[in-house]
Amino acid sequence: QKEVEQDPGPLSVPEGAIVSLNCTYSNSAFQYFMWYRQYSRKGPELLMYTYSSGNKEDGRFTAQVDKSSKYISLFIRDSQPSDSATYLCAMAYTNTGNQFYFGTGTSLTVIP
Amino acid sequence: GAVVSQHPSRVICKSGTSVKIECRSLDFQATTMFWYRQFPKQSLMLMATSNEGSKATYEQGVEKDKFLINHASLTLSTLTVTSAHPEDSSFYICSARNPIAGVEDTQYFGPGTRLTVL
Repeated sequence: QKEVEQDPGPLSVPEGAIVSLNCTYSNSAFQYFMWYRQYSRKGPELLMYTYSSGNKEDGRFTAQVDKSSKYISLFIRDSQPSDSATYLCAMAYTNTGNQFYFGTGTSLTVIP
Repeated sequence: GAVVSQHPSRVICKSGTSVKIECRSLDFQATTMFWYRQFPKQSLMLMATSNEGSKATYEQGVEKDKFLINHASLTLSTLTVTSAHPEDSSFYICSARNPIAGVEDTQYFGPGTRLTVL
């Protein structure tokens, strides 16, 4: 079983829709949870960084962590064509910046 | 802040040659840098962790003699793919840890280098 599971998609939504992206994980020791956005042929860009359970909001993006269910989500409100990218979740045991465990990424297309 | 650059962005080389990829943290000092490889439609695969002034730690299955990593300063790490072969063609991405107080201690990624070995 992989440490982190993420549905690869692809996911297509109309512009303005609410997008829900999810990852599940098996190891309850993870404490730090990140979401990265990666455009084609580019490096990943940090979107959200959360510690432990709860919600974090930044503009149109909301990250949720449910440690009891070992489930994290990223919501994108009022999705735009520029949101079309691959979204990667990542997790870490500590905040020392050491090994991350990545999901496989979900490919999202927002249709104008 | 927390900008990481990579050079070159794209390289095409003949089989058997060596290729050096540079990773720089532009506005912070990175005690730790990471090298990843990414195949099409797949996630990032960690190759090695590089600490300034010491030998890199390689992940299982990654050949140390083939992928030489040097982290000579707090802002520069290099990955050299020696005697490259077509199966080494991939997207190589570095990241750097930014431990500045008050900033989230996480990894910031470079834009990647696409290597094509003919």
